[in-house]
Amino acid sequence: DGGITQSPKYLFRKEGQNVTLSCEQNLNHDAMYWYRQDPGQGLRLIYYSQIVNDFQKGDIAEGYSVSREKKESFPLTVTSAQKNPTAFYLCASSPLRPTSGRTNAYEQYFGPGTRLTVT
Amino acid sequence: AQKVTQAQTEISVVEKEDVTLDCVYETRDTTYYLFWYKQPPSGELVFLIRRNSFDEQNEISGRYSWNFQKSTSSFNFTITASQVVDSAVYFCALSEEYGNKLVFGAGTILRVKS
Repeated sequence: DGGITQSPKYLFRKEGQNVTLSCEQNLNHDAMYWYRQDPGQGLRLIYYSQIVNDFQKGDIAEGYSVSREKKESFPLTVTSAQKNPTAFYLCASSPLRPTSGRTNAYEQYFGPGTRLTVT
Repeated sequence: AQKVTQAQTEISVVEKEDVTLDCVYETRDTTYYLFWYKQPPSGELVFLIRRNSFDEQNEISGRYSWNFQKSTSSFNFTITASQVVDSAVYFCALSEEYGNKLVFGAGTILRVKS
């Protein structure tokens, strides 16, 4: 089945350690995204990538890093510089061009998320 | 700058009641797109609908319906005859015409009690 996988579902780390969250998609989508979700704040964009070996900062990129070496994979590293890393992290992907009609919008498809707890 | 406001933090209804989730947006773009997503307790966001700014026709899909009004910058979502399985967090989102960045509202928690 096509979809987006994120692993692990729950992740625990000690403060000061870097941690990498995995995101893999087999939808053949060009674009991939990382969001952070905090209670009552909706989703905020961390990084996104439209093509292999290229990515752009989102609204809250500080303390995070990404890579896009393969089309299917877009791992996110939460570094020790991120002041409040405990959150729910969601990965998404979308076609670079719309899938239907005359729209120029992008439907994003989301993975199940990783809940990161840093103590 | 784009902004999405979902003023209702949490709504509780009894099964079979109708419920409307409000979404108000701000944008300077003349062409833009609006989305609704559902986040069940499992955490994964599920795409429900996309609407472009030139199409103000209301849409109905089963028990779901959406009312888009450009005059009031609103894109409200109504669930008719709610069911317990509708319990989730619902997000409204906005994107520019050629952008691939979604701006999300804070979400509305819907609790449907049996």
